[in-house]
Amino acid sequence: GAVVSQHPSRVICKSGTSVKIECRSLDFQATTMFWYRQFPKQSLMLMATSNEGSKATYEQGVEKDKFLINHASLTLSTLTVTSAHPEDSSFYICSARDLKPTGGLNKQYFGPGTRLTVT
Amino acid sequence: DQQVKQNSPSLSVQEGRISILNCDYTNSMFDYFLWYKKYPAEGPTFLISISSIKDKNEDGRFTVFLNKSAKHLSLHIVPSQPGDSAVYFCAASAWSGAGSYQLTFGKGTKLSVIP
Repeated sequence: GAVVSQHPSRVICKSGTSVKIECRSLDFQATTMFWYRQFPKQSLMLMATSNEGSKATYEQGVEKDKFLINHASLTLSTLTVTSAHPEDSSFYICSARDLKPTGGLNKQYFGPGTRLTVT
Repeated sequence: DQQVKQNSPSLSVQEGRISILNCDYTNSMFDYFLWYKKYPAEGPTFLISISSIKDKNEDGRFTVFLNKSAKHLSLHIVPSQPGDSAVYFCAASAWSGAGSYQLTFGKGTKLSVIP
């Protein structure tokens, strides 16, 4: 099946610093990538939708200046958490949508996630 | 406002028996439904899906049933195996105003299959 990678898998940073998370589709092209955030025992919450070559669309309540998203190519999107605070500690998961539909249906593939801890 | 609800946070089933995971939704614009399986510290993996024009889709041990009038879907796993132990997320898809399909997830149900 299609593979989506995320790097790093785990990061610990100090409060006030910025952290960049990479999301790559390894064996397919994705015009659209999604960034989710998951708190313990909670659902995956969509943060933003990223389209290649254009600005990301952020969900209500998500600060676009804090969570910078860049989707520079069909295989790479990055999420930068700027001036991180302890409340930003969470599990961040990216997802990529295959450009080619399979059986007439687009499928969305998820990365393994990045555990961010801000101290 | 939770548009996709999985009211059972956990479920325990004996190996070999049937596992039934339930999901309810409120948004009538949802037209495609998916189930994902997730292990700790990993991203969700796609399991099975169903279009709103169908009421049943089967793939091996996994069957998803959709009752549109009740806005309810369920995932049946028969027979259940210990390797099925994971968190199962129900997700629903609708066309968003941003020009793309978006997935809305439920909170998940943790399935434990007891050997």
